Amino acid sequence: DSGVTQTPKHLITATGQRVTLRCSPRSGDLSVYWYQQSLDQGLQFLIQYYNGEERAKGNILERFSAQQFPDLHSELNLSSLELGDSALYFCASSQTDSNGYTFGSGTRLTVV
Amino acid sequence: GEDVEQSLFLSVREGDSSVINCTYTDSSSTYLYWYKQEPGAGLQLLTYIFSNMDMKQDQRLTVLLNKKDKHLSLRIADTQTGDSAIYFCAERGNTDKLIFGTGTRLQVFP
Repeated sequence: DSGVTQTPKHLITATGQRVTLRCSPRSGDLSVYWYQQSLDQGLQFLIQYYNGEERAKGNILERFSAQQFPDLHSELNLSSLELGDSALYFCASSQTDSNGYTFGSGTRLTVV
Repeated sequence: GEDVEQSLFLSVREGDSSVINCTYTDSSSTYLYWYKQEPGAGLQLLTYIFSNMDMKQDQRLTVLLNKKDKHLSLRIADTQTGDSAIYFCAERGNTDKLIFGTGTRLQVFP
């Protein structure tokens, strides 16, 4: 157990739907990062939050949004889902002075 | 720009050494990392190296950094079947975010 918890582990939904992925960071970590891993795109950075505020944005679609709550857990919202959104979504957390991220085990999203 | 490249596959015999290579483009990279991903699992941090170092050894793992050529390698000594996985290198520039390579799938055969 890495200490980063992601739920759900698996999600199957239809095109056009909206889903919410949840992440609880490791205790004491203020930063949360979201990554998308697909077969043809590798690991793509989506967005980073630090202590409730957005810190950096990557290749995140406008249909996707995220937030970090006062208790530091984070949610990634994916809407108007398309087949191409099927992927593994990882959350990672770190301390401000950390030398690396700690990853959760991911949420596998399948859009049918 | 930020770009990290790796070869896609590596196949080695059990007991041999494995060398996984990575090139990056961001000269401001402060830390460089190696992560391991086993099937169905998340990424596990294996080791990292600070950009002012050129080598780091950690048990069976040796990381070599050539900053001039922006080349990073991971050597796994006495490779075992349990080392079969995808290995990602990643760079961290002057922001917190990590940029990952495409991953190298290591296959170890008996």
